[in-house]
Amino acid sequence: RKEVEQDPGPFNVPEGATVAFNCTYSNSASQSFFWYRQDCRKEPKLLMSVYSSGNEDGRFTAQLNRASQYISLLIRDSKLSDSATYLCVVKAGNMLTFGGGTRLMVKP
Amino acid sequence: DAGVTQSPTHLIKTRGQHVTLRCSPISGHKSVSWYQQVLGQGPQFIFQYYEKEERGRGNFPDRFSARQFPNYSSELNVNALLLGDSALYLCASSLDGTGTYEQYFGPGTRLTVT
Repeated sequence: RKEVEQDPGPFNVPEGATVAFNCTYSNSASQSFFWYRQDCRKEPKLLMSVYSSGNEDGRFTAQLNRASQYISLLIRDSKLSDSATYLCVVKAGNMLTFGGGTRLMVKP
Repeated sequence: DAGVTQSPTHLIKTRGQHVTLRCSPISGHKSVSWYQQVLGQGPQFIFQYYEKEERGRGNFPDRFSARQFPNYSSELNVNALLLGDSALYLCASSLDGTGTYEQYFGPGTRLTVT
């Protein structure tokens, strides 16, 4: 079993749609949680951190459920520019563990 | 300020050869981590170095080695290359090795082994 699991997708959605991604992790000692965005053939970039209380950044909302070891990302009012791979990441100590990524394609 | 830089951008090697990849962290950053990203998968942690010492190692064979220099730049070496080593190799830098600070990724080196 992978340490961080994500549905690989792709998720094909029209502009303006709301889309949700989920992620589960197996290491209960994980301390910090993130969503990264990776465009095709580019490096990953931090999208947002994820907190137990839930947090929002514009159209993006992230949630963490430590008891279920489950992380989510909600994107509202999808834009064409949101098309990318979204990587769920957990950190234990100083090591980042990435999920396989979920690919999002936003269509006109 | 320049971000994390990596060289070369692309590289083609033959099975059995060795390769050296280079990384320069953001100015002021003292920790460098290396990741391997095979096509269609997420990055996998290989090494972390802080103050020239190895602080973490992922599940990779001994063919993979790295070092960090006094100026905090780093090299990743891979010996006896296999076809399966074909991947994007990413370097990330952070202020220190505690895990407190964000890791910033470089553009990566795309290695193809034929």
